[in-house]
Amino acid sequence: GENVEQHPSTLSVQEGDSAVIKCTYSDSASNYFPWYKQELGKRPQLIIDIRSNVGEKKDQRIAVTLNKTAKHFSLHITETQPEDSAVYFCAAPRGSSASKIIFGSGTRLSIRP
Amino acid sequence: DAGVTQSPTHLIKTRGQHVTLRCSPISGHKSVSWYQQVLGQGPQFIFQYYEKEERGRGNFPDRFSARQFPNYSSELNVNALLLGDSALYLCASSSGTAIYEQYFGPGTRLTVT
Repeated sequence: GENVEQHPSTLSVQEGDSAVIKCTYSDSASNYFPWYKQELGKRPQLIIDIRSNVGEKKDQRIAVTLNKTAKHFSLHITETQPEDSAVYFCAAPRGSSASKIIFGSGTRLSIRP
Repeated sequence: DAGVTQSPTHLIKTRGQHVTLRCSPISGHKSVSWYQQVLGQGPQFIFQYYEKEERGRGNFPDRFSARQFPNYSSELNVNALLLGDSALYLCASSSGTAIYEQYFGPGTRLTVT
C-alpha cells in the first residue's frame, strides 16, 4: 500500500505545553519525511524534515523523530504559542527515488490561551 | 527572490469544460509537482515533472495532464471537468529529481458548477 496515517486528527493544548503528532508509513524504501504547517487560507509551509539516516532533528521549538524499524515519525512542538495554531501535515515519498509523495490527513492543532 | 507563483488565483468553470492552471517555480528549481487539495484533506499528489519529463504520477484519471516548459514553468490541464474537481490546486517546486525540500505556491482555487 501507499498509506501515510496521521494521528490525532485534532489536538488542543494549553499555551506553553507541548504537542506531539504522529505518523506511520508503509513503504520501507521511503527515505525523507517532511512536516508542513498550513494556516487557514494559506499554502502549506515546510517547517522541518528528516532524512532516513538520522533519528532526530531539532529546530528551535520543533523537533522530528524517526523510527525506521517501526515505520513511524513524530513532530514535537514545545512551549506552544498561539501562532502554532494551524493544520499540520506529515508526508512520505513512495520509493527511494522520491518522485511521488503521500501526505497524511492532517492534524488541526489549537492552542488554548 | 520570488517564491513559487501560480495563476489564476481563482477560477469558476462549468461541468464538461476544460481548464489550464499555470505555475512558475522558484528560480533555480527544476522540479515542479502538482497537488489537489480538497477542503479538510491533505494534498493529493497528481504529477511531478523534472527537466520537462514526467517523473511521478498519482492516482488521477487521464483527464488530468501536465507539461513542463524549457524555463521550468508548468501547466496542469484538466479536461471534461466534474463537480468533484472543485479543489485548491497547489504547485510546488524543488531543486532536484526527488521531492525533497519542496516549496508550495499559493494555489489556484477551482470551482466547478
